[in-house]
Amino acid sequence: NAGVTQTPKFQVLKTGQSMTLQCAQDMNHNSMYWYRQDPGMGLRLIYYSASEGTTDKGEVPNGYNVSRLNKREFSLRLESAAPSQTSVYFCASMGQGSPPLHFGNGTRLTVT
Amino acid sequence: GENVEQHPSTLSVQEGDSAVIKCTYSDSASNYFPWYKQELGKGPQLIIDIRSNVGEKKDQRIAVTLNKTAKHFSLHITETQPEDSAVYFCAASTGGYQKVTFGTGTKLQVIP
Repeated sequence: NAGVTQTPKFQVLKTGQSMTLQCAQDMNHNSMYWYRQDPGMGLRLIYYSASEGTTDKGEVPNGYNVSRLNKREFSLRLESAAPSQTSVYFCASMGQGSPPLHFGNGTRLTVT
Repeated sequence: GENVEQHPSTLSVQEGDSAVIKCTYSDSASNYFPWYKQELGKGPQLIIDIRSNVGEKKDQRIAVTLNKTAKHFSLHITETQPEDSAVYFCAASTGGYQKVTFGTGTKLQVIP
């Protein structure tokens, strides 16, 4: 039982490049989330998917898109990376109305 | 939306002493208050949570208190050990649990 798996662990992009962060969970959870973590800012919600087939914006959605591919997988796409998107990205999942959040180990992204 | 403030941002204690981290929230509808511990290079992991119908909850050396009138809650760690060194996040959410708002984190250092 791996829990929440994120790939890649590290990534360096140049400004304007695109990439997709992958996330998969094996706990049969309905809800999945993408957060970003920046020094002094805590964890801020980018997008979430309450259930398969639905996605909603969080606190900081600009510059990102998401896809809930199936119940297990939730991807985050940066279409045109900017230095302000340098951050650590965490994927999380949660059972239906049943906290807590279960986090992956993060993707550290640097945009130069 | 919900706003969670967390203090202090850093905390150093001697091994064996107690540590207290305090959080305030703004949305009176919030009724679920989890605390997460994040070790270096890992994702946050739940250590204790409390719901609004309870004023205090303990789990071995960890306790959380909640004052709904004042909209603040606190994490207490007694008999601290070096392995307690980590970043701690408080959070708040409403009954649907879909949007969890995090505080900005406290870096706890336990000095042997």
